Amino acid sequence: GENVEQHPSTLSVQEGDSAVIKCTYSDSASNYFPWYKQELGKGPQLIIDIRSNVGEKKDQRIAVTLNKTAKHFSLHITETQPEDSAVYFCAASLDSNYQLIWGAGTKLIIKP
Amino acid sequence: NAGVMQNPRHLVRRRGQEARLRCSPMKGHSHVYWYRQLPEEGLKFMVYLQKENIIDESGMPKERFSAEFPKEGPSILRIQQVVRGDSAAYFCASSPGGSSSGNTIYFGEGSWLTVV
Repeated sequence: GENVEQHPSTLSVQEGDSAVIKCTYSDSASNYFPWYKQELGKGPQLIIDIRSNVGEKKDQRIAVTLNKTAKHFSLHITETQPEDSAVYFCAASLDSNYQLIWGAGTKLIIKP
Repeated sequence: NAGVMQNPRHLVRRRGQEARLRCSPMKGHSHVYWYRQLPEEGLKFMVYLQKENIIDESGMPKERFSAEFPKEGPSILRIQQVVRGDSAAYFCASSPGGSSSGNTIYFGEGSWLTVV
């Protein structure tokens, strides 16, 4: 079955710098890759997702890249701000399969 | 368009009592998922339901836990005879369902259960 590994588990960056979180997956048939942001005491919020027919997707300061050959995808946050501090989760699934397989999460800390 | 609504947000139960957590999916969504999250840990899948059907309960403990999504009304996650180890955040999520819409799921704000 699918397995998703997420790195690093904790990432500390200076405000204004960029942050990159990486995930690898094992099932080459997976074709849907969402990213969720979870702030303390709140539910996970979908921030961006990508399907396997594209290699990159951007939304303002957030971008996701997908390398199907290497079976990894990454979240890029540019010009980080204090409100970016949160736990970020990646996930992978087959488009026709409801079951999302989750990474373990990355705690992102933005230092002022 | 209201998001996924969960209640109660916080619930305190004594050991041996029952806990009932409710979830109303987003408007137009017919698929509901329940996840459990322990402090400082990731999301653990519990159960996936459609109206009046349990599709996958592979993540549910075999005893004391049950879930339903009736034809009318919210989805209910029920925990009988709670123990301290049940203390966690329980998140409900919903999706439109159907392969054409993919697997985009949206989460509620969670129900925090504390067993004393």
